[in-house]
Amino acid sequence: DIVLTQSPALAVSLGQRTTISCRASQSVSISRHNLLHWYQQKPGQQPKLLIYRASNLASGIPARFSGSGSGTDFTLTINPVQADDIATYYCQQSRESLNTFGAGTKLEL
Amino acid sequence: QVQLEESGPGLMQPSETLSLTCTVSGFSPTSNGVGWVRQPLGKGLVWMGTIWAGGSTNYNSAVQSRLSINRDTAKSQVFLKMNSLQPEDTGTYYCGRHVNYGGYFDYWGQGVMVTVSS
Repeated sequence: DIVLTQSPALAVSLGQRTTISCRASQSVSISRHNLLHWYQQKPGQQPKLLIYRASNLASGIPARFSGSGSGTDFTLTINPVQADDIATYYCQQSRESLNTFGAGTKLEL
Repeated sequence: QVQLEESGPGLMQPSETLSLTCTVSGFSPTSNGVGWVRQPLGKGLVWMGTIWAGGSTNYNSAVQSRLSINRDTAKSQVFLKMNSLQPEDTGTYYCGRHVNYGGYFDYWGQGVMVTVSS
């Protein structure tokens, strides 16, 4: 199984830039396709797709969210952080048929 | 618009078989995959399995021996069945549209909470 490692928590300041990392135990890229996706989840809500295939902004997601990376190292950037962004963020890989999620990074003020 | 809605019993006894239904609208299960994701209370997301547009399935190896996913395309419904339930199967179960050639979940249901307890 591909293991995705995320930091459990990250302290942020409103109006500043923050980056959330996701490291895979093996490459999740095939050719030029990076099969790594990012979700936001707020308490009591279902997850919401933010970024798909590492760097593509999902429909309706503000442009302050962006994603980058390839191979085993990926980053979700929020710039600037707003109060509504306080949530838990998960990465997910679909490189293997056995999809896996990271354990999540909780943003805290 | 695309919508998914989970339904099923909220309380189960250990060793019972869980049956959940995901009713979709705004797309057909024959055009995209539908997957199930579990979230234990206060914990992270765990992919359980997916039935793809063509009807093939993939399962998480951790639950593969207990899990089956199938569908009724005429009713736009996808079903999860998991036997030999244990307390550690407690959690919120989400279904989501699992995009065919990207592998990401672009739409999610609200989730259904399942508690396994005697």
